[in-house]
Amino acid sequence: DTAVSQTPKYLVTQMGNDKSIKCEQNLGHDTMYWYKQDSKKFLKIMFSYNNKELIINETVPNRFSPKSPDKAHLNLHINSLELGDSAVYFCASSRGRGETQYFGPGTRLLVL
Amino acid sequence: DQQVKQNSPSLSVQEGRISILNCDYTNSMFDYFLWYKKYPAEGPTFLISISSIKDKNEDGRFTVFLNKSAKHLSLHIVPSQPGDSAVYFCAASSSWGKLQFGAGTQVVVTP
Repeated sequence: DTAVSQTPKYLVTQMGNDKSIKCEQNLGHDTMYWYKQDSKKFLKIMFSYNNKELIINETVPNRFSPKSPDKAHLNLHINSLELGDSAVYFCASSRGRGETQYFGPGTRLLVL
Repeated sequence: DQQVKQNSPSLSVQEGRISILNCDYTNSMFDYFLWYKKYPAEGPTFLISISSIKDKNEDGRFTVFLNKSAKHLSLHIVPSQPGDSAVYFCAASSSWGKLQFGAGTQVVVTP
């Protein structure tokens, strides 16, 4: 009965590869987000979707592409992975924009 | 440009005592403030929030205070328990929903 789930939990890959991280929420929320926690432990927003529509798109390399097939899912695809992409990526959801966000357990990405 | 700042990277408190965590912000457009708790290898867990129209919100052992004129908020945990040992993040948002996080404060509750 996990509210916000992410797969995989760990991802180790080589530079230059393409990978995807999946996120699903069963809270019935309309809005979903992707955050990146870097090596300095700062959590920074990358993208947000509201009812499958992109509403927040921070300054993120275009190698990162979010996709929302439906309200309950927000996936993150990363092309041509670089060493600096190594981080923990968190998915979150909220009932609506500006409301309390609930986070998934994170995906630990290590690019070698 | 860090708009939300937690200047204390760590806090050690004795079990049963009060923990006070502080957070400052610079953006006057923020209208909703939250505290999250995070254990290692887990996602942040929502603790408590406060809207900019209030100056205090209480939920059990947790109380958040907001001082808008000083652009300052604090989280009080009374009494502190060993399970409270975690990293606490302060976050702020405007109506767009873009949460800005502080750097976190590591709380250690000692017996």
